[in-house]
Amino acid sequence: AIQLTQSPSSLSASVGDRVTITCLTSQDISSAFAWYQQKPGKAPKLLIYEASSLESGVPSRFSGSGSGTDFTLTISSLQPEDFATYYCQQFNSYPQTFGQGTKVEIK
Amino acid sequence: EVQLVESGGGLVQPGGSLRLSCTASGFTFSNYAMTWVRQAPGKGPECVSAISNSGDTYYADSVRGRFTLSRDNSKNTLYLQMNSLRAEDTAVYYCAKNRGLKWYMDVWGKGTTVTVSS
Repeated sequence: AIQLTQSPSSLSASVGDRVTITCLTSQDISSAFAWYQQKPGKAPKLLIYEASSLESGVPSRFSGSGSGTDFTLTISSLQPEDFATYYCQQFNSYPQTFGQGTKVEIK
Repeated sequence: EVQLVESGGGLVQPGGSLRLSCTASGFTFSNYAMTWVRQAPGKGPECVSAISNSGDTYYADSVRGRFTLSRDNSKNTLYLQMNSLRAEDTAVYYCAKNRGLKWYMDVWGKGTTVTVSS
């Protein structure tokens, strides 16, 4: 299975901060990559697909970049509703695998 | 509105069985691949099993031989038969719709909890 290494595992930030989360894959997966947001007690929510495409309804402050083995999720100006855990996922081959998650907390 | 509703979770003893169901509405169920994703307490998501729109099935190594995934397109329902359950199968199980023929998930259910304990 393709391994995903997500960093950092947690971060503290203030409203208005720019936040960057990275994910490295153990194999080249081209752009078969997605980012999800999860809040406590809720299912994950799709934010970004195909590495850089913004899911409908997701605010434009979220953006994704990268291809191959290196991927980044950026939140340009953190809002109160963005405090959550973020997961990366590869879907180049089965089983689809997820990163360990990044918990974004309020500073 | 696209909706997925899971059912069938509960408390079961090690070695026991459960069958999870996922009922879909708001989209043409037969056209889409579907995935079961589980999440153990405090852990990240894990894709357990998936089924293509044509019925091909895929399993994680951790459940292969114990879990069976099937779909009934006439009932818009996905089934996950779980046998020989272990403590490490304890998790919230989510049903998720795949985007077209891609293997990422754009719609998720609320989840059903499976607890394996004596």
